[in-house]
Amino acid sequence: KNEVEQSPQNLTAQEGEFITINCSYSVGISALHWLQQHPGGGIVSLFMLSSGKKKHGRLIATINIQEKHSSLHITASHPRDSAVYICAVPYSGGGADGLTFGKGTHLIIQP
Amino acid sequence: EPEVTQTPSHQVTQMGQEVILRCVPISNHLYFYWYRQILGQKVEFLVSFYNNEISEKSEIFDDQFSVERPDGSNFTLKIRSTKLEDSAMYFCASLAGGQTQYFGPGTRLLVL
Repeated sequence: KNEVEQSPQNLTAQEGEFITINCSYSVGISALHWLQQHPGGGIVSLFMLSSGKKKHGRLIATINIQEKHSSLHITASHPRDSAVYICAVPYSGGGADGLTFGKGTHLIIQP
Repeated sequence: EPEVTQTPSHQVTQMGQEVILRCVPISNHLYFYWYRQILGQKVEFLVSFYNNEISEKSEIFDDQFSVERPDGSNFTLKIRSTKLEDSAMYFCASLAGGQTQYFGPGTRLLVL
């Protein structure tokens, strides 16, 4: 079973700052997921990546398969980015598996 | 945009009672999942379902739990005899294949 570790657990930053959240996992995977959980509890998938880098708006996700490590970056952060950001990997390593979630990074962006 | 829906949004039940949580996945999706999140803790995988059978389950998904897709649209999670520790938010998710999972809004279950 894969273990997922995220850091930091909590992060408070000022509006406009560049944000980095890190994720490491223990067992090789087919793809890694980044998700966002809103204060009300809703979960939204942000990225699924198996290599390299993906960008969507101000969000960038990178993965290093050899090092079993991924990062999520937010450029020009804004208070509306405040949420819990979660890294997840397939429960048993396969593409359509359920996901094993990290504990999440609670991000607060102050105006 | 199509979305996963879940009912009810909140349910309160007495310990020992049976509950059924309902989900309507996105219509052309093939893979279905249940997760739970105990208050203040991380989201945990319960079970995945494909081609009308369980494809994988975690150690949490014991004999008290069952899943069903009774009519080709609904996907249900049944807890036979609820315990206090079953109190959590339960999320349903669905997947078309090779893409990201789409999550429902969750059902908050409180067992008294």
